Amino acid sequence: DVVMTQTPLSLPVSLGDQASISCRSSQSLVHSNGNTYLHWYLQKPGQSPKLLIYKVSNRFSGVPDRFSGSGSGTDFTLKISRVEAEDLGVYFCSQSTHVPTFGGGTKLEIK
Amino acid sequence: QVQLKESGPGLVAPSQSLSITCTVSGFSLTSYDISWIRQPPGKGLEWLGVIWTGGGTNYNSAFMSRLSISKDNSKSQVFLKMNSLQTDDTAIYYCVREGFHWYFDVWGAGTTVTVSS
Repeated sequence: DVVMTQTPLSLPVSLGDQASISCRSSQSLVHSNGNTYLHWYLQKPGQSPKLLIYKVSNRFSGVPDRFSGSGSGTDFTLKISRVEAEDLGVYFCSQSTHVPTFGGGTKLEIK
Repeated sequence: QVQLKESGPGLVAPSQSLSITCTVSGFSLTSYDISWIRQPPGKGLEWLGVIWTGGGTNYNSAFMSRLSISKDNSKSQVFLKMNSLQTDDTAIYYCVREGFHWYFDVWGAGTTVTVSS
């Protein structure tokens, strides 16, 4: 199985700060069709995860443009340009190029 | 409105089996694949398996020997059955719709399953 490693585990931030989360995969996420199926989800406390970014850099419907994704191959990053209170929760990266797997999560919290 | 809703037993005794039903609305099971994903308390997410629009299935190899997923398109229901449960199967179990770019775009609220005697 593809192992997804997220850093940091916890990310204390002040509101208005920029936040950056890293995700690395144990093997390339480039599919034979040329697409890279790396996605990001946010799970707020007591809720189900919600899709933020799909295929590395595409914002899902309704996701604010302060969220951006980048990367290629095995190294990926999620950036939040100006953290708002509603952004707090646990962020998961996930790949579906191979049998789906998830990173361990990064908890975004107030400093 | 697109929704998925899981219903399960809550408590399962060790070595017994688990059955969960996912009822969907707002879309057809003939148009979207449905996956099952679980989350142990305070931990990360684990993909269990998928049932495709045509009824075929694919399972996480770690669960292949004791997991079965099926569906009834006419009733808009997807079924998970897992055998030989142990305490480390305690988790929230989610049914999830798979979108066109192989992402999980709509999640159910989840059903909590506790394995305990």
